[in-house]
Amino acid sequence: EPEVTQTPSHQVTQMGQEVILRCVPISNHLYFYWYRQILGQKVEFLVSFYNNEISEKSEIFDDQFSVERPDGSNFTLKIRSTKLEDSAMYFCASRGDRDGYTFGSGTRLTVV
Amino acid sequence: AQRVTQPEKLLSVFKGAPVELKCNYSYSGSPELFWYVQYSRQRLQLLLRHISRESIKGFTADLNKGETSFHLKKPFAQEEDSAMYYCALSGRGPPRLTFGEGTQLTVNP
Repeated sequence: EPEVTQTPSHQVTQMGQEVILRCVPISNHLYFYWYRQILGQKVEFLVSFYNNEISEKSEIFDDQFSVERPDGSNFTLKIRSTKLEDSAMYFCASRGDRDGYTFGSGTRLTVV
Repeated sequence: AQRVTQPEKLLSVFKGAPVELKCNYSYSGSPELFWYVQYSRQRLQLLLRHISRESIKGFTADLNKGETSFHLKKPFAQEEDSAMYYCALSGRGPPRLTFGEGTQLTVNP
């Protein structure tokens, strides 16, 4: 069964550093997403991406965040200057026209 | 605006007992409803979507448009069902999921 893959599984970074979280969505899917889950809290929408541009973003997705699809397979989330409160599990997801949403296994980001 | 409410943060049942996880939604239109399960803070796995009307691992869910609910049910809970369950909605426009707060289900032996 096709999977969404995310790397790394765990990233530790110092406050103020830039991080890039990587995702490989399912190859024939058209919509790509990033979600965040702070420990003990619910899953929150960050951004959706379609046709090589952001189609929707939440208020969490401020100027510190950016997404990119640098080639035909990768989908990245960049946080420019990390803050302690960015510590969370970040999930990538993709969706095809007829499929449901498939999630990756997540990247646990710890900002110290 | 789309909103999903799961009124129970915690639910505990005994093995073999019926279980119902409640989900209510708010959306002005015809949404797609989903249930996702998360075991021990791992990936979110799709359990059910209302349009497929499948039964997965003995779980079923019926969309009740009158009550705007999509409750998840299983007649006989198993210990391996212990997990976090999220109800989620996808509306029209650019598709995206909105999650409820989640219900932590514990099935005791």
